[in-house]
Amino acid sequence: KNQVEQSPQSLIILEGKNCTLQCNYTVSPFSNLRWYKQDTGRGPVSLTIMTFSENTKSNGRYTATLDADTKQSSLHITASQLSDSASYICVVTLYSGGGADGLTFGKGTHLIIQP
Amino acid sequence: DAMVIQNPRYQVTQFGKPVTLSCSQTLNHNVMYWYQQKSSQAPKLLFHYYDKDFNNEADTPDNFQSRRPNTSFCFLDIRSPGLGDAAMYLCATSRAGGYGYTFGSGTRLTVV
Repeated sequence: KNQVEQSPQSLIILEGKNCTLQCNYTVSPFSNLRWYKQDTGRGPVSLTIMTFSENTKSNGRYTATLDADTKQSSLHITASQLSDSASYICVVTLYSGGGADGLTFGKGTHLIIQP
Repeated sequence: DAMVIQNPRYQVTQFGKPVTLSCSQTLNHNVMYWYQQKSSQAPKLLFHYYDKDFNNEADTPDNFQSRRPNTSFCFLDIRSPGLGDAAMYLCATSRAGGYGYTFGSGTRLTVV
Protein backbone atom coordinates (compact mmCIF):
# COMPACT_ATOMS: atom_id res chain seq x y z
CA LYS A 1 0.00 0.00 0.00
CA ASN A 2 1.33 3.43 -0.96
CA GLN A 3 1.88 5.49 2.18
CA VAL A 4 3.60 8.69 3.24
CA GLU A 5 4.50 9.09 6.91
CA GLN A 6 5.58 12.42 8.37
CA SER A 7 7.19 13.26 11.65
CA PRO A 8 6.86 14.93 13.99
CA GLN A 9 3.10 15.45 13.94
CA SER A 10 3.58 18.87 15.49
CA LEU A 11 6.53 21.04 16.44
CA ILE A 12 6.98 24.26 18.38
CA ILE A 13 10.21 26.24 18.04
CA LEU A 14 11.39 29.74 18.84
CA GLU A 15 11.70 32.37 16.16
CA GLY A 16 15.15 32.35 14.59
CA LYS A 17 15.82 28.67 15.29
CA ASN A 18 16.25 25.98 12.65
CA CYS A 19 14.18 22.83 12.34
CA THR A 20 13.97 19.68 10.24
CA LEU A 21 10.82 17.83 9.24
CA GLN A 22 10.88 14.19 8.13
CA CYS A 23 9.01 12.24 5.47
CA ASN A 24 9.20 8.49 4.80
CA TYR A 25 7.32 6.91 1.93
CA THR A 26 6.53 3.55 0.40
CA VAL A 27 5.08 4.82 -2.89
CA SER A 28 6.18 2.81 -5.90
CA PRO A 29 6.85 3.33 -8.73
CA PHE A 30 8.11 6.74 -7.67
CA SER A 31 7.89 9.83 -9.87
CA ASN A 32 8.64 12.79 -7.63
CA LEU A 33 8.34 14.15 -4.11
CA ARG A 34 6.98 17.55 -3.22
CA TRP A 35 6.90 19.63 -0.08
CA TYR A 36 3.97 22.00 0.37
CA LYS A 37 3.27 24.72 2.92
CA GLN A 38 -0.37 25.07 3.90
CA ASP A 39 -1.51 28.04 5.94
CA THR A 40 -4.69 27.59 7.97
CA GLY A 41 -7.73 27.92 5.71
CA ARG A 42 -5.65 28.06 2.52
CA GLY A 43 -4.67 25.68 -0.24
CA PRO A 44 -1.21 24.09 -0.31
CA VAL A 45 1.60 26.13 -1.84
CA SER A 46 4.50 24.31 -3.45
CA LEU A 47 7.93 24.72 -1.84
CA THR A 48 10.06 22.14 -3.66
CA ILE A 49 9.74 19.24 -6.07
CA MET A 50 12.40 16.58 -6.55
CA THR A 51 12.75 13.60 -8.86
CA PHE A 52 14.64 10.44 -7.92
CA SER A 53 17.91 11.80 -9.34
CA GLU A 54 17.90 14.93 -7.18
CA ASN A 55 19.38 14.82 -3.67
CA THR A 56 18.68 18.35 -2.55
CA LYS A 57 16.62 21.36 -3.60
CA SER A 58 16.50 24.80 -2.00
CA ASN A 59 13.88 27.53 -2.03
CA GLY A 60 15.05 30.47 0.06
CA ARG A 61 15.26 29.35 3.69
CA TYR A 62 13.73 25.96 2.81
CA THR A 63 16.02 23.07 1.83
CA ALA A 64 14.64 19.66 0.95
CA THR A 65 16.68 16.47 0.71
CA LEU A 66 15.77 13.18 -0.87
CA ASP A 67 17.27 9.71 -0.47
CA ALA A 68 15.46 7.59 -3.05
CA ASP A 69 17.25 4.44 -1.87
CA THR A 70 15.94 4.64 1.68
CA LYS A 71 12.75 6.46 0.56
CA GLN A 72 13.28 9.30 2.97
CA SER A 73 13.04 13.05 2.59
CA SER A 74 13.55 15.97 4.92
CA LEU A 75 12.65 19.65 4.88
CA HIS A 76 15.04 21.94 6.71
CA ILE A 77 13.93 25.45 7.65
CA THR A 78 16.68 27.91 8.48
CA ALA A 79 16.30 30.96 10.71
CA SER A 80 12.58 30.45 11.24
CA GLN A 81 10.15 33.37 11.06
CA LEU A 82 6.70 33.81 12.54
CA SER A 83 5.25 33.50 9.03
CA ASP A 84 6.62 29.95 8.81
CA SER A 85 3.86 28.82 11.18
CA ALA A 86 1.83 26.44 9.02
CA SER A 87 1.35 22.79 8.13
CA TYR A 88 4.06 21.26 5.95
CA ILE A 89 2.87 18.45 3.78
CA CYS A 90 4.99 15.84 2.02
CA VAL A 91 3.41 14.54 -1.19
CA VAL A 92 4.73 11.67 -3.29
CA THR A 93 3.66 11.19 -6.90
CA LEU A 94 3.07 7.76 -8.32
CA TYR A 95 4.53 7.27 -11.77
CA SER A 96 1.80 6.33 -14.19
CA GLY A 97 3.61 6.66 -17.47
CA GLY A 98 2.20 10.01 -18.56
CA GLY A 99 -1.35 9.76 -17.29
CA ALA A 100 -2.97 11.76 -14.52
CA ASP A 101 -0.49 10.83 -11.80
CA GLY A 102 -1.84 10.00 -8.38
CA LEU A 103 -0.59 11.91 -5.39
CA THR A 104 -0.17 10.34 -1.97
CA PHE A 105 -0.30 12.92 0.81
CA GLY A 106 1.28 12.76 4.21
CA LYS A 107 -0.79 14.05 7.12
CA GLY A 108 1.56 16.96 7.56
CA THR A 109 3.65 18.45 10.34
CA HIS A 110 2.02 21.35 12.14
CA LEU A 111 4.77 23.89 12.85
CA ILE A 112 4.35 26.74 15.31
CA ILE A 113 6.95 29.48 15.57
CA GLN A 114 6.90 31.33 18.86
CA PRO A 115 8.33 34.84 19.28
CA ASP B 1 -0.17 35.72 -12.95
CA ALA B 2 -1.31 32.31 -14.11
CA MET B 3 -3.16 30.64 -11.31
CA VAL B 4 -5.98 28.48 -10.02
CA ILE B 5 -8.91 30.47 -8.62
CA GLN B 6 -11.64 29.11 -6.42
CA ASN B 7 -14.86 30.91 -5.61
CA PRO B 8 -16.17 31.59 -3.12
CA ARG B 9 -13.55 31.37 -0.34
CA TYR B 10 -16.30 30.59 2.18
CA GLN B 11 -19.67 28.99 1.44
CA VAL B 12 -22.47 28.33 3.87
CA THR B 13 -25.28 26.06 2.73
CA GLN B 14 -28.29 24.47 4.35
CA PHE B 15 -28.52 20.77 5.05
CA GLY B 16 -29.85 19.07 1.91
CA LYS B 17 -29.70 22.19 -0.29
CA PRO B 18 -27.66 21.71 -3.48
CA VAL B 19 -24.48 23.75 -3.67
CA THR B 20 -21.91 24.35 -6.41
CA LEU B 21 -18.27 25.28 -5.95
CA SER B 22 -16.30 26.70 -8.83
CA CYS B 23 -12.72 26.55 -9.99
CA SER B 24 -11.05 28.34 -12.87
CA GLN B 25 -7.50 28.23 -14.18
CA THR B 26 -5.38 30.34 -16.47
CA LEU B 27 -2.61 27.72 -16.74
CA ASN B 28 -4.19 25.84 -19.65
CA HIS B 29 -3.57 22.57 -17.83
CA ASN B 30 -5.08 19.34 -19.13
CA VAL B 31 -6.01 17.93 -15.76
CA MET B 32 -8.25 19.39 -13.07
CA TYR B 33 -8.74 17.73 -9.67
CA TRP B 34 -11.13 18.13 -6.77
CA TYR B 35 -10.02 17.25 -3.24
CA GLN B 36 -11.86 17.23 0.05
CA GLN B 37 -9.83 18.14 3.13
CA LYS B 38 -11.25 17.83 6.61
CA SER B 39 -9.64 19.40 9.65
CA SER B 40 -6.12 18.09 10.40
CA GLN B 41 -6.38 15.47 7.64
CA ALA B 42 -4.64 15.02 4.32
CA PRO B 43 -6.58 16.04 1.22
CA LYS B 44 -8.66 13.22 -0.26
CA LEU B 45 -9.05 13.02 -4.03
CA LEU B 46 -12.70 12.98 -5.09
CA PHE B 47 -12.30 12.91 -8.89
CA HIS B 48 -10.40 14.45 -11.75
CA TYR B 49 -10.86 15.41 -15.36
CA TYR B 50 -8.19 14.55 -17.91
CA ASP B 51 -9.30 16.94 -20.66
CA LYS B 52 -12.95 15.93 -21.04
CA ASP B 53 -12.54 12.48 -19.53
CA PHE B 54 -14.05 12.21 -16.06
CA ASN B 55 -12.35 9.90 -13.54
CA ASN B 56 -14.18 9.18 -10.32
CA GLU B 57 -12.45 7.74 -7.25
CA ALA B 58 -14.04 4.47 -6.13
CA ASP B 59 -15.00 5.75 -2.69
CA THR B 60 -16.42 9.14 -3.73
CA PRO B 61 -20.08 9.31 -2.68
CA ASP B 62 -22.71 9.68 -5.41
CA ASN B 63 -23.71 12.92 -3.70
CA PHE B 64 -20.66 14.54 -5.32
CA GLN B 65 -20.70 15.36 -9.03
CA SER B 66 -18.47 17.43 -11.27
CA ARG B 67 -18.69 19.30 -14.55
CA ARG B 68 -16.01 20.68 -16.81
CA PRO B 69 -17.62 22.77 -19.55
CA ASN B 70 -14.28 23.89 -20.99
CA THR B 71 -10.55 23.78 -20.29
CA SER B 72 -10.64 26.71 -17.89
CA PHE B 73 -13.54 25.86 -15.61
CA CYS B 74 -14.49 22.97 -13.39
CA PHE B 75 -17.39 22.75 -10.95
CA LEU B 76 -18.06 20.60 -7.91
CA ASP B 77 -21.76 19.94 -7.28
CA ILE B 78 -22.95 18.56 -3.96
CA ARG B 79 -26.50 17.44 -4.54
CA SER B 80 -27.67 17.07 -0.94
CA PRO B 81 -25.04 18.29 1.50
CA GLY B 82 -24.91 16.59 4.86
CA LEU B 83 -23.21 17.79 8.02
CA GLY B 84 -20.36 15.41 7.26
CA ASP B 85 -19.64 17.22 4.01
CA ALA B 86 -18.43 20.31 5.82
CA ALA B 87 -14.79 20.62 4.80
CA MET B 88 -12.26 22.55 2.76
CA TYR B 89 -12.61 21.76 -0.94
CA LEU B 90 -9.43 22.15 -2.95
CA CYS B 91 -9.17 22.42 -6.71
CA ALA B 92 -5.87 21.59 -8.36
CA THR B 93 -4.58 21.47 -11.92
CA SER B 94 -1.64 19.89 -13.68
CA ARG B 95 -0.27 19.13 -17.10
CA ALA B 96 -0.30 15.56 -18.37
CA GLY B 97 1.92 13.38 -16.22
CA GLY B 98 1.26 15.47 -13.13
CA TYR B 99 3.72 18.23 -14.04
CA GLY B 100 3.11 21.73 -12.77
CA TYR B 101 0.67 20.64 -10.07
CA THR B 102 -0.97 23.79 -8.68
CA PHE B 103 -3.59 24.16 -5.96
CA GLY B 104 -6.23 26.83 -5.57
CA SER B 105 -6.78 28.56 -2.24
CA GLY B 106 -9.76 26.38 -1.45
CA THR B 107 -13.41 26.89 -0.54
CA ARG B 108 -14.41 26.33 3.07
CA LEU B 109 -17.89 24.78 3.08
CA THR B 110 -20.10 24.98 6.16
CA VAL B 111 -23.37 23.03 6.33
CA VAL B 112 -26.02 24.32 8.73
